Amino acid sequence: SQQGEEDPQALSIQEGENATMNCSYKTSINNLQWYRQNSGRGLVHLILIRSNEREKHSGRLRVTLDTSKKSSSLLITASRAADTASYFCATDVGSYIPTFGRGTSLIVHP
Amino acid sequence: EAGVTQFPSHSVIEKGQTVTLRCDPISGHDNLYWYRRVMGKEIKFLLHFVKESKQDESGMPNNRFLAERTGGTYSTLKVQPAELEDSGVYFCASSSRTGFIYSSGYTFGSGTRLTVV
Repeated sequence: SQQGEEDPQALSIQEGENATMNCSYKTSINNLQWYRQNSGRGLVHLILIRSNEREKHSGRLRVTLDTSKKSSSLLITASRAADTASYFCATDVGSYIPTFGRGTSLIVHP
Repeated sequence: EAGVTQFPSHSVIEKGQTVTLRCDPISGHDNLYWYRRVMGKEIKFLLHFVKESKQDESGMPNNRFLAERTGGTYSTLKVQPAELEDSGVYFCASSSRTGFIYSSGYTFGSGTRLTVV
């Protein structure tokens, strides 16, 4: 079974609203990354958060990490139609092979 | 710099046929990874090359899949004979170092969408 599981599986919001996606994982990690996949395109790295960090920001993105709950969240503020994509978390459990979940499919309606 | 290039972008083949996917990593990247995403499921690791050597091929589903990286440059992933369940998007990624020890992550290609009919 996969290490990371994103929740919800699908999210539909209006432009300008905030979108929050969660990722839960099972074993201790070194780092966690969030990626985005636009339809028909490759995976784009968004942000990395290390196990000793609790929060990171990058533009309209905010990522939190709670190692006690083995969970992370990705917040996209003031969403845009161009944010429509699938979002994946990937965990590094020490084997240095990123392990992905099923992803959250985000649709932002203009 | 050029990114990770994969081709073809799409391939539709009949069950029992052979298909070869190709990945050109970023020049100088020793690490090359293959992943697969079956519709609606997670992105699963297939294998990891360090230069021309297979570092980890624990994710390869069965012996119908053969990956090579001759000369440590581009890599090919051959599926022979293809089955219906092989349909999905095959991603390739490369990195200059192993692990999440730097903040830029792995660079992924656009993927090859394989449909077996």
